[in-house]
Amino acid sequence: GIQVEQSPPDLILQEGANSTLRCNFSDSVNNLQWFHQNPWGQLINLFYIPSGTKQNGRLSATTVATERYSLLYISSSQTTDSGVYFCAVEQSTGNQFYFGTGTSLTVIP
Amino acid sequence: ETGVTQTPRHLVMGMTNKKSLKCEQHLGHNAMYWYKQSAKKPLELMFVYSLEERVENNSVPSRFSPECPNSSHLFLHLHTLQPEDSALYLCASSQDPLAGFYNEQFFGPGTRLTVL
Repeated sequence: GIQVEQSPPDLILQEGANSTLRCNFSDSVNNLQWFHQNPWGQLINLFYIPSGTKQNGRLSATTVATERYSLLYISSSQTTDSGVYFCAVEQSTGNQFYFGTGTSLTVIP
Repeated sequence: ETGVTQTPRHLVMGMTNKKSLKCEQHLGHNAMYWYKQSAKKPLELMFVYSLEERVENNSVPSRFSPECPNSSHLFLHLHTLQPEDSALYLCASSQDPLAGFYNEQFFGPGTRLTVL
């Protein structure tokens, strides 16, 4: 199956700082999503972004499918941004959907 | 109710018990999924139902038995589980499986299962 690697695994930020989270995948994909999992376990959709760039408030994401990576940008981070960020991809062949291992973000005031 | 709901939110069961997890989606989607999230591991896709037919079963032990009576409801029946089955079980749904199989998935809040 496809390998999905996220970096960094852990990140601690001061409130107001910016950050970039990365998702690398080992094979071509049809779809890619970014999620935020809050401390209660709820997975919240951030972006559905198989290619290109999207922005939503302080968050933006870019996927370069031909180079097999996606980036999630968080600007002016807030304590409520804390949690685990996952990317998930659908492999182009095989109808499988794979999650990365996540980036655990802690924003301190 | 909106989105994807799951009940119960927490469940503690013994290894000889039989219990069921329920998922309901209010989004008009055609596909539903069960995932397992264990500590320190990526989410694992367990089952996929598209238009009420099971289309994916990722080598899940038979002690987990899914049921999809209609496109809005999904169950996971549990029996004779093991302590290592303790995990967060997440349900998701998506729209129009025919146009890009998985499309955008929306998740429920999960059921945190503890097997004693």
